[in-house]
Amino acid sequence: LAKTTQPISMDSYEGQEVNITCSHNNIATNDYITWYQQFPSQGPRFIIQGYKTKVTNEVASLFIPADRKSSTLSLPRVSLSDTAVYYCLAKDTGRRALTFGSGTRLQVQP
Amino acid sequence: DSGVTQTPKHLITATGQRVTLRCSPRSGDLSVYWYQQSLDQGLQFLIQYYNGEERAKGNILERFSAQQFPDLHSELNLSSLELGDSALYFCASSADGDGGAFFGQGTRLTVV
Repeated sequence: LAKTTQPISMDSYEGQEVNITCSHNNIATNDYITWYQQFPSQGPRFIIQGYKTKVTNEVASLFIPADRKSSTLSLPRVSLSDTAVYYCLAKDTGRRALTFGSGTRLQVQP
Repeated sequence: DSGVTQTPKHLITATGQRVTLRCSPRSGDLSVYWYQQSLDQGLQFLIQYYNGEERAKGNILERFSAQQFPDLHSELNLSSLELGDSALYFCASSADGDGGAFFGQGTRLTVV
């Protein structure tokens, strides 16, 4: 399975920009990188998806370098409600499984 | 609301029993995924179906099985249940099977 690595936890304050980086090996040429947000006891919620360079939506931005071996989720001006676990999703080249990383627990403080 | 429906929301059963979890994907989605999440743990990929066929298999125990029906809904069967099977089970669906997926709210299984 493709291995993804994220920081276990991050702390931030309201109004700050938060960048969470994920490294992903063995990602295939035509695979996408997807990020999810999960609150306790709820299903993960799709945030953003990208292939390379930069993708931006109303919630976040996703930066992917040319080698595609990592990606960075950027959350502008976080609020308390952004406190959650953020997962980076990569694809396995051989088995085509959807493998989540260990997740980054983001804690936003006032 | 992601459009993915899972039933039941909660299930309590005894060790050794068998249960079936049901998932209705978003309208038009051909791919269904099943995940297990134990307390304070990450999401463990179990299995994926695409248009009725098994497409990828993860860490699914032999006591567990799944299928996707012609109407595209899916069922996850868990048998000979053990205490350690207590977890949240999530279903997700996607349009083409290779992109982002949308998750249901999960079934919380408690084995006593």
